[in-house]
Amino acid sequence: DGGITQSPKYLFRKEGQNVTLSCEQNLNHDAMYWYRQDPGQGLRLIYYSQIVNDFQKGDIAEGYSVSREKKESFPLTVTSAQKNPTAFYLCASRGGTSGVTDTQYFGPGTRLTVL
Amino acid sequence: QKEVEQDPGPLSVPEGAIVSLNCTYSNSAFQYFMWYRQYSRKGPELLMYTYSSGNKEDGRFTAQVDKSSKYISLFIRDSQPSDSATYLCAMVRTSGSRLTFGEGTQLTVNP
Repeated sequence: DGGITQSPKYLFRKEGQNVTLSCEQNLNHDAMYWYRQDPGQGLRLIYYSQIVNDFQKGDIAEGYSVSREKKESFPLTVTSAQKNPTAFYLCASRGGTSGVTDTQYFGPGTRLTVL
Repeated sequence: QKEVEQDPGPLSVPEGAIVSLNCTYSNSAFQYFMWYRQYSRKGPELLMYTYSSGNKEDGRFTAQVDKSSKYISLFIRDSQPSDSATYLCAMVRTSGSRLTFGEGTQLTVNP
């Protein structure tokens, strides 16, 4: 059953703690992305990776870190330096068939709440 | 100025209505255009993908692109309550580059 999985679905964090959000895909996609979604603000790009062992900052990378040691996995760490981390986090991968190579496919998301 | 502007809504229509969702963009370099549907508390799912100016139809959905006016639309015919969701437009400059999203339009179809 191919797709993108994110875990956990809900995550609660105390202020000052780092937390890591998991993203796994078995679509054999090279590119993976992390977005943050806040009400009324659409999707904002945090980090993305085009290939294994390489990643680039997006528009709002401050307070976040990532790694890409395996093609299937792209975990996101929300550090204590992120001032307002409460949000819905979406992971995506890019690939396609029939020449449609720019479509991104999204996971179900992780809702992070800072207590 | 944002590169992509989307009508924010929310939009509420009766069942069976024709719905028009719209985005404008400022950068003529955008070449590929997509519409995503996002149900509450779920990840977005790809609905339509277009490359050239003109219309593309898929069942009750029609995606329209007007590159000369930098305007894209998604039309939903015979709208159903199950169409109630947030619709996001997205576009990309060239193959392999990053997507730019609109802010999303929340649609409610009332039975």
